[in-house]
Amino acid sequence: ETGVTQTPRHLVMGMTNKKSLKCEQHLGHNAMYWYKQSAKKPLELMFVYSLEERVENNSVPSRFSPECPNSSHLFLHLHTLQPEDSALYLCASSQDQTPVDTIYFGEGSWLTVV
Amino acid sequence: AQSVAQPEDQVNVAEGNPLTVKCTYSVSGNPYLFWYVQYPNRGLQFLLKYITGDNLVKGSYGFEAEFNKSQTSFHLKKPSALVSDSALYFCAVRDLGRDDMRFGAGTRLTVKP
Repeated sequence: ETGVTQTPRHLVMGMTNKKSLKCEQHLGHNAMYWYKQSAKKPLELMFVYSLEERVENNSVPSRFSPECPNSSHLFLHLHTLQPEDSALYLCASSQDQTPVDTIYFGEGSWLTVV
Repeated sequence: AQSVAQPEDQVNVAEGNPLTVKCTYSVSGNPYLFWYVQYPNRGLQFLLKYITGDNLVKGSYGFEAEFNKSQTSFHLKKPSALVSDSALYFCAVRDLGRDDMRFGAGTRLTVKP
């Protein structure tokens, strides 16, 4: 148990669907992240939130829309995805956003786009 | 720019033998280095990190890593491998002035009985 909980663990969606991934951290951290892990590619940082403010968006397509209603919760809203968006989506958190802060990951949400 | 390289896609060792998983890095300032492990169908688990101080860092599950500034390396080691250590290992680096953590491509460790 890492203190970062992601739901659902598995999701299959059609290209015209709208779905959301949910993340909750129980660590009292101030920063939260979405990463994408695809086969044979390094982890890709998608979004960073610090104290509920988005601080980084690594040129992610608009079909991915993050939401951070408070410091404990992070959502990734998905709509009109493409098959190449199928991947493991990892939520993570850290105490703050300094370089010395360890990032703690959830178990991930496996997304399959059909 | 910060970057990290894991030169080996795959490392195979026999149970009970020492293991090393290699990592080299490139940063403009002082490096902050991390190792994570990923078991099948799981997220990444933090193993250890180097921030400053002693070049030998000890972490979870008996793992340790040695920071070598002259060789810009941060290799992960364990004196005696277990079959249960078989997993995907990621090295990562953070740099002052950057918001993100850069990960290597990962090294798959297989420990055979």
